Amino acid sequence: EAQVTQNPRYLITVTGKKLTVTCSQNMNHEYMSWYRQDPGLGLRQIYYSMNVEVTDKGDVPEGYKVSRKEKRNFPLILESPSPNQTSLYFCASKDVNTEAFFGQGTRLTVV
Amino acid sequence: SQQGEEDPQALSIQEGENATMNCSYKTSINNLQWYRQNSGRGLVHLILIRSNEREKHSGRLRVTLDTSKKSSSLLITASRAADTASYFCATPLSGGSYIPTFGRGTSLIVHP
Repeated sequence: EAQVTQNPRYLITVTGKKLTVTCSQNMNHEYMSWYRQDPGLGLRQIYYSMNVEVTDKGDVPEGYKVSRKEKRNFPLILESPSPNQTSLYFCASKDVNTEAFFGQGTRLTVV
Repeated sequence: SQQGEEDPQALSIQEGENATMNCSYKTSINNLQWYRQNSGRGLVHLILIRSNEREKHSGRLRVTLDTSKKSSSLLITASRAADTASYFCATPLSGGSYIPTFGRGTSLIVHP
């Protein structure tokens, strides 16, 4: 089954404690992207990747890092999380002629 | 940056009525997509319309695209309570990228 898998689905953490949200797709898609969704702000793009070892900043990259060492995985790293990074995060992948496929989301709370 | 913006932000209708949502975008695109999101869940693709198409249908959904006005509309006919969700239009990042960007969405509530 074609899918995008994010882990964890829910996470409560403390300020400053490094965390990684994983994203994996099994469709051999070239393009992957991370979004955060906050009330009234829609989905804002954090980082995206056009291919292995090719990543670029989206609209709200501050406080985040990503890597794309292999095609299927695109982890989102928060080196020192802060409360303003409390949000609902989505990973998505797509290819040239496909729609975007989304993960189920990761609800992160930073206290 | 965010390309598309949906309008209205919120829409409340009765079951059986039609729901129309609009999307305006800023730069030239090669396609535009509409997605649906049930509360707190991942987005699900509804329909894609290419820049050389003016109208597309899928079941009770009708999408139009006017590239001269840089706008699109999504019409849901004979709405049902199960259509209650947020709806987003997605356009490619400027520069020809295939990475979609989204607006703030339209929150649709269909009352039974």
